[in-house]
Amino acid sequence: ETGVTQSPTHLIKTRGQQVTLRCSSQSGHNTVSWYQQALGQGPQFIFQYYREEENGRGNFPPRFSGLQFPNYSSELNVNALELDDSALYLCASSLGHGGETQYFGPGTRLLVL
Amino acid sequence: RKEVEQDPGPFNVPEGATVAFNCTYSNSASQSFFWYRQDCRKEPKLLMSVYSSGNEDGRFTAQLNRASQYISLLIRDSKLSDSATYLCVVNVGAGGTSYGKLTFGQGTILTVHP
Repeated sequence: ETGVTQSPTHLIKTRGQQVTLRCSSQSGHNTVSWYQQALGQGPQFIFQYYREEENGRGNFPPRFSGLQFPNYSSELNVNALELDDSALYLCASSLGHGGETQYFGPGTRLLVL
Repeated sequence: RKEVEQDPGPFNVPEGATVAFNCTYSNSASQSFFWYRQDCRKEPKLLMSVYSSGNEDGRFTAQLNRASQYISLLIRDSKLSDSATYLCVVNVGAGGTSYGKLTFGQGTILTVHP
């Protein structure tokens, strides 16, 4: 296994609610990237955190926000949930923020009703 | 045009067959290239990195053609356990800042049957 953990594994929310997803990176990794994977699609890059700062962002609205903590774990927050936010949310950790290999956690499956 | 394009398949092949997946990418500044494998309802797992010189790992061979912006994966002697979705992945930097934004193709579904 990759040593990357995510919680919770599954979550059901209703439209308009807010959600926080958590990720613990592999030991020694200082970079966490978040991805959204809709059914039947490849993962889409949301943003990346490197040493507690956002280090790049994909084409996602500001209601998607994140944090990275001094131990390099990370949170993804989504406000004002929409039905289309239903997806598998994956975090990936890496040692460094360039072209290093990223190792994925098992994901959080979010369903918005 | 999608940044990374793959034939979604599905590919249905018998055990022992050889199967090839192709992928094209649009950003000529892309820096690194990978194939990931994703089992049903699981996370993507790195299968192999892809280099211009080509690389092989057992039954798997990956090739990169930077001039054509084309990546391939060849699986020889397919096993039942190879059934999965194969994701072509490109690492694209942004402007002058290099960061590890992985751009995924939509994946190619492979089913290997007895």
